Amino acid sequence: EPEVTQTPSHQVTQMGQEVILRCVPISNHLYFYWYRQILGQKVEFLVSFYNNEISEKSEIFDDQFSVERPDGSNFTLKIRSTKLEDSAMYFCASQIGGQVPYEQYFGPGTRLTVT
Amino acid sequence: AQKVTQAQTEISVVEKEDVTLDCVYETRDTTYYLFWYKQPPSGELVFLIRRNSFDEQNEISGRYSWNFQKSTSSFNFTITASQVVDSAVYFCALSSNFGNEKLTFGTGTRLTIIP
Repeated sequence: EPEVTQTPSHQVTQMGQEVILRCVPISNHLYFYWYRQILGQKVEFLVSFYNNEISEKSEIFDDQFSVERPDGSNFTLKIRSTKLEDSAMYFCASQIGGQVPYEQYFGPGTRLTVT
Repeated sequence: AQKVTQAQTEISVVEKEDVTLDCVYETRDTTYYLFWYKQPPSGELVFLIRRNSFDEQNEISGRYSWNFQKSTSSFNFTITASQVVDSAVYFCALSSNFGNEKLTFGTGTRLTIIP
């Protein structure tokens, strides 16, 4: 069964460094998302992406964040200058698209630790 | 603004007992979609069910059942004859009626099944 994959599974970085989290969505899906989950808290929406542009972003998704779909398969989240509060699990999700919101399929997540 | 409330932070039940997880939502949309996701200890998010606002029929899938009541803005989830493998955090989520809308998650309920 097709699945969303994410790399790396765990990333440790120092405050102020740039990180890129990578995702490979399900191949025929059209909508892509990033969510984050601070340890023990709820899952929060960051950004949605469709047709090579951002559809919607949350207030969390400030100028330090960017997303890109550099080729036909990868979907990346870049954090330019990480802060301690960026430590969280980051989930990528994809959705097939259409008139109604079908389920979003989530990847296994990347645990980002900022020291 | 959309909001999902899961008032039960943690629930523990003995194996084979039935357990109901509560979910209350708020939205101004007349058409919307509700979801349940399971997050086992391994951390991934597993889709369980999607329900649209026009379909108030209860659904049963094996030991799982869902009760959607628009009058009380609730979408509760019952596990019958619980098993240890049901131990996880369960999230209720809400989406608007368009194809690529973000999911708004509740804070989750941690369910522990005691052998």
